Amino acid sequence: LAKTTQPISMDSYEGQEVNITCSHNNIATNDYITWYQQFPSQGPRFIIQGYKTKVTNEVASLFIPADRKSSTLSLPRVSLSDTAVYYCLVGDIYDTGGFKTIFGAGTRLFVKA
Amino acid sequence: KAGVTQTPRYLIKTRGQQVTLSCSPISGHRSVSWYQQTPGQGLQFLFEYFSETQRNKGNFPGRFSGRQFSNSRSEMNVSTLELGDSALYLCASSLGLAGGSSYEQYFGPGTRLTVT
Repeated sequence: LAKTTQPISMDSYEGQEVNITCSHNNIATNDYITWYQQFPSQGPRFIIQGYKTKVTNEVASLFIPADRKSSTLSLPRVSLSDTAVYYCLVGDIYDTGGFKTIFGAGTRLFVKA
Repeated sequence: KAGVTQTPRYLIKTRGQQVTLSCSPISGHRSVSWYQQTPGQGLQFLFEYFSETQRNKGNFPGRFSGRQFSNSRSEMNVSTLELGDSALYLCASSLGLAGGSSYEQYFGPGTRLTVT
């Protein structure tokens, strides 16, 4: 059972604001929502993390509604260098062997000039 | 502060051989996790080590093993290599135990393993 659902791909233009929404209907009470960015042939990079309401840092904003069943990563004024895969993570799966971090397929963002 | 380093960056091995990959975490980080990334399966969790003990394990066969040393550096070993083991192997470090927590993970650049 997938913990998160996000669009497979999105296109945008330079200078636009991009919002990527992630659905996580089965989020647990103690789960945080974390977003990572990955460029080709590099390891993922932490972008932002939140539990509820709104979190903002120098890179992005994260909006989380009261029911926490979804979240939206907002990237202001994207540039060509923001072309990457964005992963939404919510908690970990726990089964035989312990906790397993699940990355999912992510959202491939393509920023055009 | 130096980031996570992985060696070697690229490796070519023959089917049936074994391979050892190395990961040095960020100074002060005690947890190291390993992931396999392939175009078909995406990023998959292999295992996590904390204080020299494997704490969490993904769904990979026993050919995949690892260890962590007292300085938190970690190695991953794959024995009897198969063609399907060709992948980008990533390690990530975190301050505390990542599995089941909100600790963010810091990833290295990865080791690109090609099995022929």
